[in-house]
Amino acid sequence: GAGVSQSPSNKVTEKGKDVELRCDPISGHTALYWYRQSLGQGLEFLIYFQGNSAPDKSGLPSDRFSAERTGGSVSTLTIQRTQQEDSAVYLCASSFSGGGTDTQYFGPGTRLTVL
Amino acid sequence: AQKITQTQPGMFVQEKEAVTLDCTYDTSDQSYGLFWYKQPSSGEMIFLIYQGSYDEQNATEGRYSLNFQKARKSANLVISASQLGDSAMYFCAMRGSDSWGKFQFGAGTQVVVTP
Repeated sequence: GAGVSQSPSNKVTEKGKDVELRCDPISGHTALYWYRQSLGQGLEFLIYFQGNSAPDKSGLPSDRFSAERTGGSVSTLTIQRTQQEDSAVYLCASSFSGGGTDTQYFGPGTRLTVL
Repeated sequence: AQKITQTQPGMFVQEKEAVTLDCTYDTSDQSYGLFWYKQPSSGEMIFLIYQGSYDEQNATEGRYSLNFQKARKSANLVISASQLGDSAMYFCAMRGSDSWGKFQFGAGTQVVVTP
């Protein structure tokens, strides 16, 4: 069965440009999560979508970061006016219901490099 | 607020030996879940094992077991009979009932299995 997919797998951009990262969750999963992983570091929570509820945006590091989820499925993470410190791997995960025992399934990530 | 602490940045273990990876956590939530993930050098995050805060039995999944000591707020991962393919980064994570979508990850422990 299809897992979580992310595109592009690699993105190189110039400082100041905007980028969009895409995540396709597992079909039927209502919860979707975005994380950032800097080199050699753990995962940093960014944002969480659960069904039609308002997303939990508490992890977004600045107002340059935004995310949306259309039709309860595909999600796009947008970073405006990219900075070099935005360079990281951006991981998306989905889970069936977002409940307590729910297991997240991760995508392969998008490696973002800001020059 | 939740906090996950993994104090071992790296470990070497001989093939066929058992290894224990430490994880301590801090939360004010009464209900929470604890997870362990494996991240090989390829980058994907692989779910290993889950322990709920109300589970009285320690979780086990094949060669993985979770040594859950609630009073000490620890959730150590034990890998028995290590294999070369176990070489990877291991992350402890938790989610709490105040925000089920907001996983908190530890900094990770790098495990290298030697022949």
